[in-house]
Amino acid sequence: AQSVTQLGSHVSVSEGALVLLRCNYSSSVPPYLFWYVQYPNQGLQLLLKYTSAATLVKGINGFEAEFKKSETSFHLTKPSAHMSDAAEYFCAVSGRGYGNKLVFGAGTILRVKS
Amino acid sequence: SAVISQKPSRDICQRGTSLTIQCQVDSQVTMMFWYRQQPGQSLTLIATANQGSEATYESGFVIDKFPISRPNLTFSTLTVSNMSPEDSSIYLCSVNDREVNTEAFFGQGTRLTVV
Repeated sequence: AQSVTQLGSHVSVSEGALVLLRCNYSSSVPPYLFWYVQYPNQGLQLLLKYTSAATLVKGINGFEAEFKKSETSFHLTKPSAHMSDAAEYFCAVSGRGYGNKLVFGAGTILRVKS
Repeated sequence: SAVISQKPSRDICQRGTSLTIQCQVDSQVTMMFWYRQQPGQSLTLIATANQGSEATYESGFVIDKFPISRPNLTFSTLTVSNMSPEDSSIYLCSVNDREVNTEAFFGQGTRLTVV
């Protein structure tokens, strides 16, 4: 079955440090790729998406992600972490290789230390 | 983008009872989706609801347990029937407006606790 893997269920960074959240997908067909953020007791908010245009995608709150077909990856980065970035982040994929349904990774909880 | 309203936002229910969750969208959409997020876990698709046809359920989910209605292009309901504590989860409604899921918007979710 096609899958989405997020490496690291918990990531901890210091305020001002680089944020790197990893996402790999398995599909022989290039998918659509998404990153969502979920703050405590809230729904999901779309951070950014890749839909076969530019491989480097910029999203909200200073986040960006790069689609690398050769590595089947779509890692999320932010140059400088802020305390308000503490949340759970989900990578998701969709497209023909996934039955056109949105398939979520397990999620990564980001902790930002002061 | 689409604005999605879910009701109720949370509820505590007795086992054996049923709860109906409503999802209202501010625009007409072709496909609506219902997800479950169990405590500490990721989202799992329950079913896809299309207007004018039966919902399509994912493996492990059945209509008797999770009946869905989709009376028009802006509204859907999910019922969690004969609840048990294992049904305690967040239930989320999601929409997109294309056949291929190029973007998905989510409601705030319904936090259900079954006691």
